[in-house]
Amino acid sequence: SSELTQDPAVSVALGQTVRITCQGDSLRTYYATWYQQKPGQAPVVVIYGKNNRPSGIPDRFSGSSSGNTASLTITGAQAEDEADFYCNSRDNSATHPWVFGGGTKLTVL
Amino acid sequence: EVQLWESGGGLVQPGGSLRLSCAASGFTFSSYAITWVRQAPGKGLEWVSGISGSGRSTYFADSVKGRFTVSRDNSKNTVYLQMNSLRAEDTAVYYCARVRRDSSGSDAFDIWGQGTMVTVSS
Repeated sequence: SSELTQDPAVSVALGQTVRITCQGDSLRTYYATWYQQKPGQAPVVVIYGKNNRPSGIPDRFSGSSSGNTASLTITGAQAEDEADFYCNSRDNSATHPWVFGGGTKLTVL
Repeated sequence: EVQLWESGGGLVQPGGSLRLSCAASGFTFSSYAITWVRQAPGKGLEWVSGISGSGRSTYFADSVKGRFTVSRDNSKNTVYLQMNSLRAEDTAVYYCARVRRDSSGSDAFDIWGQGTMVTVSS
């Protein structure tokens, strides 16, 4: 089965723009989904598909994809955006249809 | 309201068994695959298992294959994760999530339960 690779930690100054990336072979075929997880809470989808935001997710969150890399961009990061971010995607494996990235800890300075 | 909620977690000794349940409401349950994802203390998310909407197809991570089974009762809108031969490394919060497939064929785990804690310890 495939793997998805994320940087373990990223930091951004308050109000600035940050990009979190996710790399893996499955992303050449399928879009990534991005999840935000705050301490003690279940993950929440922030971006899915080509670049879709669920209801209630601020428009400062956006997604993009190129080749084997998916990116989550936060334009004008806020203090409340500090969280762990995970990517996942469908995989072409017949026995392991989904795969997760290791997660990125976002710190807002 | 579309929601999932897990139950059945607890403390179990190594080698023991536990059955988790994932109950759903607010959507056509049989139309969606359901997946289980776990998170060990201080660690990232790990995909564990999945089951198709009909229940005919099941999937397992290598770390649990042969020890865990998954099933569903669409008449009760519930998915079950039977965990046998539990090990200390199975200690984690276990989440169930709905799998939504879009027109491109890509999947998203769009609805999550609140999670249930499983602790394997003597």
